[in-house]
Amino acid sequence: AQSVTQLDSHVSVSEGTPVLLRCNYSSSYSPSLFWYVQHPNKGLQLLLKYTSAATLVKGINGFEAEFKKSETSFHLTKPSAHMSDAAEYFCVVSDLQSGGFKTIFGAGTRLFVKA
Amino acid sequence: EAGVAQSPRYKIIEKRQSVAFWCNPISGHATLYWYQQILGQGPKLLIQFQNNGVVDDSQLPKDRFSAERLKGVDSTLKIQPAKLEDSAVYLCASSLGRAALNTEAFFGQGTRLTVV
Repeated sequence: AQSVTQLDSHVSVSEGTPVLLRCNYSSSYSPSLFWYVQHPNKGLQLLLKYTSAATLVKGINGFEAEFKKSETSFHLTKPSAHMSDAAEYFCVVSDLQSGGFKTIFGAGTRLFVKA
Repeated sequence: EAGVAQSPRYKIIEKRQSVAFWCNPISGHATLYWYQQILGQGPKLLIQFQNNGVVDDSQLPKDRFSAERLKGVDSTLKIQPAKLEDSAVYLCASSLGRAALNTEAFFGQGTRLTVV
């Protein structure tokens, strides 16, 4: 069965400090994994994706994520938070299921950045 | 490049009324998705089209929801009759080519539906 769990519903950091948003998944096959960001009143935007190449994936705006198969994790990190990073972040898993490719979104993690 | 266009942006209706949402995907994108995002939850796929054919509608409540994609371009999603629990943001997304494992989807801003 396919599932994705975002371990924190809310994360609060100070500007300039590191960001860690945690995501665990389960998949029957070799999945593709994505992180999307949703700013208020804007559409979802792709931050980065893992597709069985390098396990450390670099995305836009200084974000990166590491695929760890042994831990079934795909945590999102950024060395130094900026005020503009405040948004909702979604971890997404996509893999082959009976009937075709299935994509599931996590419940989301809201990131707050304090000045 | 123009993005995914959706209208209306907001809609308020009474329960048991009907409502329709419209989506215009990015030009040339063969795959179109409709998602429902309830407050505090991640988006849930309702239906996926490949050109004008349905690829996946397993989570679409077919007794009240319907969608079509005539000519493989624009799409409409309809709810009839609406229930209170249909209050959500309805997101349309599109992707280039055949839906595949690692294909990026581009999302519209969504339609926020409130059923009272």
